[in-house]
Amino acid sequence: AQSVTQPDIHITVSEGASLELRCNYSYGATPYLFWYVQSPGQGLQLLLKYFSGDTLVQGIKGFEAEFKRSQSSFNLRKPSVHWSDAAEYFCAVSPNTGGFKTIFGAGTRLFVKA
Amino acid sequence: DGGITQSPKYLFRKEGQNVTLSCEQNLNHDAMYWYRQDPGQGLRLIYYSQIVNDFQKGDIAEGYSVSREKKESFPLTVTSAQKNPTAFYLCASSIANRRGETQYFGPGTRLLVL
Repeated sequence: AQSVTQPDIHITVSEGASLELRCNYSYGATPYLFWYVQSPGQGLQLLLKYFSGDTLVQGIKGFEAEFKRSQSSFNLRKPSVHWSDAAEYFCAVSPNTGGFKTIFGAGTRLFVKA
Repeated sequence: DGGITQSPKYLFRKEGQNVTLSCEQNLNHDAMYWYRQDPGQGLRLIYYSQIVNDFQKGDIAEGYSVSREKKESFPLTVTSAQKNPTAFYLCASSIANRRGETQYFGPGTRLLVL
C-alpha cells in the first residue's frame, strides 16, 4: 500500500544543535515530495518541495532536505536549531501516477531545549 | 495580503446539531480542500473541489458535506451523522488540482462537542 512514514513521533534537540527529521515513502515511482511545518494551533506552511533534479533541496528558515531514491527517503535537516523551530513537521507526497492526492505523514513534533 | 481565512477559530457542537465551518481564499486558486487533523494521525482528506460547482469525496467524507458556489468559498458542514467530530479542521487551496501543486493552508478551526 502507498504510505508515508515519519518514524519519530517526537524529537528533542538542544538549541544550536543539528536536526534531522526522517521521512520514508512507499511508491513505485518517485513522487513529488514536500515538507510542511505547523506551529501550535495554526495551519501548515510549506518549507520545501522536490520534484526532480538536484536531490538536495533548500527551503525557507534554513531548512534543507535530501532525496535518496535508493532508500525511498526524504529527510529534513537543519544545521543549527533555534527555539522558534519548535513545531510539528509533516512530510507529504503526491504520487506522479494516477489521480490527484497528497498523502501526509503522521508528523514529528520537535521540542527545542535551551 | 492574499491568503486563506477560516472561521470560527473554535466551534462547539451539541449532539444532533449540524455546524458549518467557513473557508475563504483570495488567492484566485481554483482548487480547495478540507482536511481533518487528529493527534498522531496527520491530515486526512475530507473533500476537495477542482473548480466552482464541482467537488469530490476524499478518504473520510462520511458525515460531512460541502458546497462550492463561488471560487473563493468552500464551506464544510459537519452533520449529525458524523459521530466523532471533535478534531482540528484545516482548509487549503492550490492554484489547480495538479499533482505536486503546493497547497496553502488556513489557520484552522477546532471543533468540540458539548
